[in-house]
Amino acid sequence: DTGVSQDPRHKITKRGQNVTFRCDPISEHNRLYWYRQTLGQGPEFLTYFQNEAQLEKSRLLSDRFSAERPKGSFSTLEIQRTEQGDSAMYLCASSESPYSYNEQFFGPGTRLTVL
Amino acid sequence: AQSVAQPEDQVNVAEGNPLTVKCTYSVSGNPYLFWYVQYPNRGLQFLLKYITGDNLVKGSYGFEAEFNKSQTSFHLKKPSALVSDSALYFCAVRERNNRLAFGKGNQVVVIP
Repeated sequence: DTGVSQDPRHKITKRGQNVTFRCDPISEHNRLYWYRQTLGQGPEFLTYFQNEAQLEKSRLLSDRFSAERPKGSFSTLEIQRTEQGDSAMYLCASSESPYSYNEQFFGPGTRLTVL
Repeated sequence: AQSVAQPEDQVNVAEGNPLTVKCTYSVSGNPYLFWYVQYPNRGLQFLLKYITGDNLVKGSYGFEAEFNKSQTSFHLKKPSALVSDSALYFCAVRERNNRLAFGKGNQVVVIP
């Protein structure tokens, strides 16, 4: 399968713990996006990478959130000191550049539950 | 800011009947518009996009969408709905840095 993959698919954690999610984009895609989706809502943008450079962060991404994309391949999203409000589906997407109208391809998501 | 609105929460349609899922947009400049579908516990799957050109866009699984500039709409359509089309449908518009702004989604229920 050459699509976008995410790991883990589900994560249950206790409030205050740190969690890390991984995203592997489609291999030739150099743009990578993270979104968050809560129940009954559409995905909301969190952050964006062009190769290894993180070019934009949403104000939704508090200081407890950090994302990396070393070597411009896979990406990780870490949440420190998790809160119950962090419970959501975290989606990763990738796309080709340079055309701005290229569609994004989404992974299956990581569902986070904070107890 | 660019945005889209999906005015209906749920769309119910009988199998074999035409399906329409509504989306209106608010943008500055020319819009780049997208439709995605989400099945339970799955990520979003791309259906189609409007960039420029023909106002009728054809996509995957028999879906099409009509871009209407005067009504600022981009409704998704399918001539004959299948039970397997039951899913959550999202309209989206491209913002800066190519990030997408999504509507809240429409649950489509196709009744056998």
